[in-house]
Amino acid sequence: GAVVSQHPSWVICKSGTSVKIECRSLDFQATTMFWYRQFPKQSLMLMATSNEGSKATYEQGVEKDKFLINHASLTLSTLTVTSAHPEDSSFYICSARDWTDSYNEQFFGPGTRLTVL
Amino acid sequence: AQSVTQLGSHVSVSEGALVLLRCNYSSSVPPYLFWYVQYPNQGLQLLLKYTTGATLVKGINGFEAEFKKSETSFHLTKPSAHMSDAAEYFCAVSDPNAGGTSYGKLTFGQGTILTVHP
Repeated sequence: GAVVSQHPSWVICKSGTSVKIECRSLDFQATTMFWYRQFPKQSLMLMATSNEGSKATYEQGVEKDKFLINHASLTLSTLTVTSAHPEDSSFYICSARDWTDSYNEQFFGPGTRLTVL
Repeated sequence: AQSVTQLGSHVSVSEGALVLLRCNYSSSVPPYLFWYVQYPNQGLQLLLKYTTGATLVKGINGFEAEFKKSETSFHLTKPSAHMSDAAEYFCAVSDPNAGGTSYGKLTFGQGTILTVHP
């Protein structure tokens, strides 16, 4: 149980285009999902917290107009990188909290490798 | 604010040797504590967690960790390393009393890369 999927697993796009990444909780309902960015050989950096049915909460320094987050259902959150540039190339990881869990455990997706040319 | 320090960005052990990965935290209240493992180009997998109760917790793949409140530590150990243990390990904490925009957030350490030599 507690499986989180991400799609696509990798994507290559041209500079200036937009890319959408999906995060799904497959066997549980997630009222809260998190989006992280990870640079090579570094830890995870929380970008935003996505709550079902409401606006995402962005961490300081993260451009909300560039990284659009939508959490339209209890099992799906999407991250859209708008007008992508090479500096947006990174490994993006989502995680989800089971709404029945009391201990803040997060279940992580396998990640999406974004390369912007 | 919470913080997590993982001492040693790289740890190298021989196959069969003891694995010890260190994690210290700073928190105003006893936090929830987690150890995750990440293999290359993959997401994070939970190894074990401490929330309440017994301070020695056992996880998957033979790992265990002990919560020591007096030392604000949650070190990860495994008696005998296996080649398949080579990966990056992250310690994370969460404030059980956090509300508002901090609800449910994890604070991660910088990670420790474990190398296992034959």
